[in-house]
Amino acid sequence: AQSVTQLDSHVSVSEGTPVLLRCNYSSSYSPSLFWYVQHPNKGLQLLLKYTSAATLVKGINGFEAEFKKSETSFHLTKPSAHMSDAAEYFCVVILGGTYKYIFGTGTRLKVLA
Amino acid sequence: KAGVTQTPRYLIKTRGQQVTLSCSPISGHRSVSWYQQTPGQGLQFLFEYFSETQRNKGNFPGRFSGRQFSNSRSEMNVSTLELGDSALYLCASSPGGESYNEQFFGPGTRLTVL
Repeated sequence: AQSVTQLDSHVSVSEGTPVLLRCNYSSSYSPSLFWYVQHPNKGLQLLLKYTSAATLVKGINGFEAEFKKSETSFHLTKPSAHMSDAAEYFCVVILGGTYKYIFGTGTRLKVLA
Repeated sequence: KAGVTQTPRYLIKTRGQQVTLSCSPISGHRSVSWYQQTPGQGLQFLFEYFSETQRNKGNFPGRFSGRQFSNSRSEMNVSTLELGDSALYLCASSPGGESYNEQFFGPGTRLTVL
């Protein structure tokens, strides 16, 4: 069965330092993977998606993620955190052969001044 | 293009009542999905509609139902409300042609059951 595991429920970084949010997936098929961000009292916004093209995916606001099949990982990174990056981040896998999104439990990112 | 809209944004109901939530997808999108978000359970898939047909269903009781109209607008109904139904209900739309399509989310309806 497909699933995603977000390894950290909370991550704190200082402004200007790198961000790493970890996601591991489990899938019987070649997966489609997404990262979404949710700011307080706002809807979910797509950061980036992997759909079996390039393994290094670039998204909005300087975020990128690398699909590593051997490690079943899709970690989200950003070279330099900004205060506006403080939000909750969700890793998502699509259940193979369906249109059903499976969400990870989320990682809350805190950015310290 | 206008984004996904959901009405109402906030709702307060009492146990035993029923509620209907509405979602208008992005123009041209034919797929609408519904999710429940709670602090304890996170984001959980409720169901997905495409061209007025339910294509996928999550693991929720039959009290949760939905439908989609010919203009792709969708409604979700919860009957016999329970305290545990208090949540943010999110609607998302996508063109619907491929399963890996990005879903565009609305701001949600926050339901409080007293």
